[in-house]
Amino acid sequence: DQQVKQNSPSLSVQEGRISILNCDYTNSMFDYFLWYKKYPAEGPTFLISISSIKDKNEDGRFTVFLNKSAKHLSLHIVPSQPGDSAVYFCAARMGGSEKLVFGKGTKLTVNP
Amino acid sequence: KAGVTQTPRYLIKTRGQQVTLSCSPISGHRSVSWYQQTPGQGLQFLFEYFSETQRNKGNFPGRFSGRQFSNSRSEMNVSTLELGDSALYLCASSLKLAGHSEQYFGPGTRLTVT
Repeated sequence: DQQVKQNSPSLSVQEGRISILNCDYTNSMFDYFLWYKKYPAEGPTFLISISSIKDKNEDGRFTVFLNKSAKHLSLHIVPSQPGDSAVYFCAARMGGSEKLVFGKGTKLTVNP
Repeated sequence: KAGVTQTPRYLIKTRGQQVTLSCSPISGHRSVSWYQQTPGQGLQFLFEYFSETQRNKGNFPGRFSGRQFSNSRSEMNVSTLELGDSALYLCASSLKLAGHSEQYFGPGTRLTVT
């Protein structure tokens, strides 16, 4: 039972354009969502998070949008840079627990 | 401020042996969680510790255990190793404030079971 889904295993964009990574979840008890970036053989790096009481959170080039009714969130990266090429994981958590439920990841490639 | 550190970074063990992995959280962080990453299953939650108490446990067999010390450092142990235990084991720490706090991951320990 996969509670957090990232349906696109890979995404390729041109440098300078927008990258949009999507994530869907099924458990309505999730109230906090996080995005991580990961390189092979390294630990995930925290990018940005959003609480379920918000619908948008921005941090520099990264913006996360949350649509609770659709149980959908997305990460926008503008403008995309070659250094953004990595695997991006969406994760969800429910109140009081530090347990993160991860999606399978989306491999982003930003072409120069 | 130093990040989450994990030792050792790489480990090769034989089936049937046991292994202990160590994690030092970011200074001031009191919550430590462990995850297993494999190509087939992705990132799976193992356990969560806070103030030396296990607060949550994932769906793993009893061969997987852990503990947290008074300085918030944590260890996890896997006994009677199986080939399927080969994975990247990740530790994450957080402040665990009353509201939400982000988790920061260490570089991981790559365990290979032969």
